[in-house]
Amino acid sequence: DAGVIQSPRHEVTEMGQEVTLRCKPISGHNSLFWYRQTMMRGLELLIYFNNNVPIDDSGMPEDRFSAKMPNASFSTLKIQPSEPRDSAVYFCASSPFQEKLFFGSGTQLSVL
Amino acid sequence: AQKVTQAQTEISVVEKEDVTLDCVYETRDTTYYLFWYKQPPSGELVFLIRRNSFDEQNEISGRYSWNFQKSTSSFNFTITASQVVDSAVYFCALSGLSGTYKYIFGTGTRLKVLA
Repeated sequence: DAGVIQSPRHEVTEMGQEVTLRCKPISGHNSLFWYRQTMMRGLELLIYFNNNVPIDDSGMPEDRFSAKMPNASFSTLKIQPSEPRDSAVYFCASSPFQEKLFFGSGTQLSVL
Repeated sequence: AQKVTQAQTEISVVEKEDVTLDCVYETRDTTYYLFWYKQPPSGELVFLIRRNSFDEQNEISGRYSWNFQKSTSSFNFTITASQVVDSAVYFCALSGLSGTYKYIFGTGTRLKVLA
């Protein structure tokens, strides 16, 4: 099993640009999570899907952020327009329900 | 509301010392799950342990041990005879129904093991 796959590993963009982060969960896992990690705020849950349906998006910071899970094998997190304060490491994780989380390697986002 | 508190921001120990990382949680659920993860300098998040709320037995895995006490809402992690390779950020996490089964992480404890 290849594990949770995130792309890109690194993204550098300019303020105002659209950013799309991608995640392929482990096959058979029905829960998918997007987290953001910064020094100031630690690991923040942005949104959580169960069986491709968004269950809790209370952590999404504002309307500039959106996430989709069109099928069981793919999810995207989009930021439009991006701002420097969005710079962080974004992790995707998947799990069978209530089991341990399997994390991807993360996307390091830098917004200049 | 669910909450996880890791009051120790950073701990430094000398190699071979024992060290305990504290985790205190809040939840109104009777069934919930607790986790510990390790994040080494390379950045990946590595699963260490999962414990459900009905299993209060302490667990030992090599140099690692966990002490779960529902009476004090704590799930502490002890590393015995620490090694430099244990240097990492350690996160405690909680998941349960009242939190819609999302995983709530503490702010992490950075452990530095000095040679």
